Amino acid sequence: KAGVTQTPRYLIKTRGQQVTLSCSPISGHRSVSWYQQTPGQGLQFLFEYFSETQRNKGNFPGRFSGRQFSNSRSEMNVSTLELGDSALYLCASSRTEGGLNTEAFFGQGTRLTVV
Amino acid sequence: GDSVTQMEGPVTLSEEAFLTINCTYTATGYPSLFWYVQYPGEGLQLLLKATKADDKGSNKGFEATYRKETTSFHLEKGSVQVSDSAVYFCALSPARAAGNKLTFGGGTRVLVKP
Repeated sequence: KAGVTQTPRYLIKTRGQQVTLSCSPISGHRSVSWYQQTPGQGLQFLFEYFSETQRNKGNFPGRFSGRQFSNSRSEMNVSTLELGDSALYLCASSRTEGGLNTEAFFGQGTRLTVV
Repeated sequence: GDSVTQMEGPVTLSEEAFLTINCTYTATGYPSLFWYVQYPGEGLQLLLKATKADDKGSNKGFEATYRKETTSFHLEKGSVQVSDSAVYFCALSPARAAGNKLTFGGGTRVLVKP
């Protein structure tokens, strides 16, 4: 069974540009969550999508957005990149039992460097 | 809001030593608790979990017990190996809430020397 796949693995962008990251969840998982990992702030929740709808949102500015497609694949977009957006972006997927999510499985992440 | 506090590292041990990483949490009700491990250049791997009080999660020689009275979920391993060198994260998921929103501790780096 394939795991969570994130593409690309590495990205280098310039300040002011925008970037799109992709996440393919484990087959059958309908929930996809995104996290930002930095040395200073640790792991922080960005948002979660379920059945193409944003279900939870963290405390990030509107420059960070996402979406989910009918096949549960998800993308996140960061516009007007800042140096502080340099981070490892992790995607996690989970399935639902009895209306509640089971444990989350993470991808290997996309390392974004903003120069 | 929810929060997780875990001991800061790095923790440096010799092979076959006993490892314990403390984790305490603040949350309402009975959250689910997790330990994740991150190896260099990798994402997070679920190590173990517990979903109710007094549950013991275990995997690969690691154990953690959900203690509601002390709001703790300390990770232990009786005999570590060099391959256990990694960063360990304690995390919680809100009690009976729709949605998957994990709150993580700051992570503890463990270095096991031969």
